[in-house]
Amino acid sequence: GAVVSQHPSRVICKSGTSVKIECRSLDFQATTMFWYRQFPKQSLMLMATSNEGSKATYEQGVEKDKFLINHASLTLSTLTVTSAHPEDSSFYICSAGAAGGTGELFFGEGSRLTVL
Amino acid sequence: AQSVTQLGSHVSVSEGALVLLRCNYSSSVPPYLFWYVQYPNQGLQLLLKYTTGATLVKGINGFEAEFKKSETSFHLTKPSAHMSDAAEYFCAVSKKTGTASKLTFGTGTRLQVTL
Repeated sequence: GAVVSQHPSRVICKSGTSVKIECRSLDFQATTMFWYRQFPKQSLMLMATSNEGSKATYEQGVEKDKFLINHASLTLSTLTVTSAHPEDSSFYICSAGAAGGTGELFFGEGSRLTVL
Repeated sequence: AQSVTQLGSHVSVSEGALVLLRCNYSSSVPPYLFWYVQYPNQGLQLLLKYTTGATLVKGINGFEAEFKKSETSFHLTKPSAHMSDAAEYFCAVSKKTGTASKLTFGTGTRLQVTL
């Protein structure tokens, strides 16, 4: 199956700093990628839809200035958590779907962010 | 709007016993349905999906699910549980075809397998 890779898998940062998480589709082109956030023992919450070459579409309640999403190419989307605070600590997961597919999404391994 | 309800946040079965994880959905259009499995600190892996055609869908690791439109259900089953099946399972629904679309996830069911 298609492979989606996230980097880094774990990151620890100080409060007030910014952290960038990359999501790459390794063997297919993804015009659309999705960013999810998962709190411990909870389900995935969709944060935003990332579209190649255009602005991301954010879900209600998600701060677009805090969670910057860039989808500059068909194989790479990035999520930057700006001025991170401890409450931003979470597991962030990206997913991508291949164009022309059945709507199936392929998920990255996730990135665990810990803000001290 | 679409939604997914997973009954039972925790399910415990003995090794070798039947696994049944329940999922009911709500959708105003014909749904695409998915089951994903998540192991600790990992992303999600697709177990199986229903798009069109046969309503009984077979997936990986011996899992299968049946789409029942009349019951708006898509329950996941496995005849005989294995210790390695212990994980978090998510049912999800989407409504578009031919392109990547948003998935709406259920709250998840944690499967515990005991000796």
